[in-house]
Amino acid sequence: QKEVEQNSGPLSVPEGAIASLNCTYSDRGSQSFFWYRQYSGKSPELIMFIYSNGDKEDGRFTAQLNKASQYVSLLIRDSQPSDSATYLCAVINAGNMLTFGGGTRLMVKP
Amino acid sequence: KAGVTQTPRYLIKTRGQQVTLSCSPISGHRSVSWYQQTPGQGLQFLFEYFSETQRNKGNFPGRFSGRQFSNSRSEMNVSTLELGDSALYLCASSRDRGKYEQYFGPGTRLTVT
Repeated sequence: QKEVEQNSGPLSVPEGAIASLNCTYSDRGSQSFFWYRQYSGKSPELIMFIYSNGDKEDGRFTAQLNKASQYVSLLIRDSQPSDSATYLCAVINAGNMLTFGGGTRLMVKP
Repeated sequence: KAGVTQTPRYLIKTRGQQVTLSCSPISGHRSVSWYQQTPGQGLQFLFEYFSETQRNKGNFPGRFSGRQFSNSRSEMNVSTLELGDSALYLCASSRDRGKYEQYFGPGTRLTVT
């Protein structure tokens, strides 16, 4: 079992819709959770981080964390074609190592 | 505040050669981590440096090494290059160890022929 798992996609949503990206992790000692966006040929860009159970909102982005279910998600409201990218879920585990999921490719169609 | 910088951005080397990549973290950041990204394996952790000491190491052979200087700048070295070492090498910095968010540099694209 991989430490951090994501559906590889592609996840296709129409412009203006809500995109929902999901991630599960295996290490119950994980303490910090991140979402990165990566455009093709570019490096990952941090877009959200969450440390506590619940929701955290920043503009069109909402991160949700449920430690009991070992589940973290990212919602993107009013999706735009410019949101089309690969979204990487990352977790700092009990050993202080940042581990990435394989990424979900999001396609927002005009 | 300037972001993480990496040099060089692109590199072409031949099998058997060695290579050194450089990373300058965001000002005030003391932890530097290195990652390898390939289409097949995704983003894999190489090592983390803090206070000039390697604190964590991923599952890579000893040909991969690194160091950190007193100003937090870091270098990584790959000796005896293999074709499979062709990848995007990413450096990320964070203000401290542990739970803090990491910010990535633009990466160095290494091609081994």
